Amino acid sequence: NAGVTQTPKFQVLKTGQSMTLQCAQDMNHNSMYWYRQDPGMGLRLIYYSASEGTTDKGEVPNGYNVSRLNKREFSLRLESAAPSQTSVYFCASSALRNTEAFFGQGTRLTVV
Amino acid sequence: EDQVTQSPEALRLQEGESSSLNCSYTVSGLRGLFWYRQDPGKGPEFLFTLYSAGEEKEKERLKATLTKKESFLHITAPKPEDSATYLCAVQAGDSGGSNYKLTFGKGTLLTVNP
Repeated sequence: NAGVTQTPKFQVLKTGQSMTLQCAQDMNHNSMYWYRQDPGMGLRLIYYSASEGTTDKGEVPNGYNVSRLNKREFSLRLESAAPSQTSVYFCASSALRNTEAFFGQGTRLTVV
Repeated sequence: EDQVTQSPEALRLQEGESSSLNCSYTVSGLRGLFWYRQDPGKGPEFLFTLYSAGEEKEKERLKATLTKKESFLHITAPKPEDSATYLCAVQAGDSGGSNYKLTFGKGTLLTVNP
C-alpha cells in the first residue's frame, strides 16, 4: 500500500534551473495538494487540485506551476529556481474537501 | 485570516509522565481540526479529525479534544516512541477555493526520555 509517492527525494539545483517534482497517489483520492515546509514557518499550501482537471493557487504560488495529469498524478514545476525556494516539499491527497489529507515522504530541494 | 498557534514549542517528558499539547485557532467557520504526527525526515502522519466542539477521539495513548477556540492533545503515560513533532491544522468553512486549504500551526516538538 504505497499511499502518496514523491520523486525525487533529494535534489540540488543551481539558480535559474528548472525541474519538476512528481507526485502520485493510489488511494483514488479526488483532491491533491502541494505544500512547502520551512523552519519556523510551518507547512504552507502552494497549489491544490480539488478534482481532476482543476487547479488553484494556495498561499505561496509565485514561482511555481502545477499540472494535474490525471486523477493519480499531480506535478509541481519550478521554471527558474531561486534560493528562496530551498525547502522541503510535500505532496498530499484527500478523498473529499474536509477529510484528512495523507502526505508523501517529501522532497528536500536545495537551490544554490 | 485563519490562524493556528501551538504551545509549547517544545516539551520534554519522562516516560510515563502524562501531559497535554495545546492548539488554539481563529477561523471563520471551522470545518475540521486535524492532528498529525511528524517524525524527522518524514511526511506528516494523520492522527485525528475533530469536527465540532465537545468531540473527542482516542488512539492508544493519545486523546484529542475540541472546544470552540482550542484543541488539546493529551498524552497518557508516554513512551520514547511517542517522540515526534505534533502538528495541528484547521480547515475553514468559508466559500470558494480557500476551504480546501489546511492552515497548519508550527508544531510542538515532543521528546520522551526513557
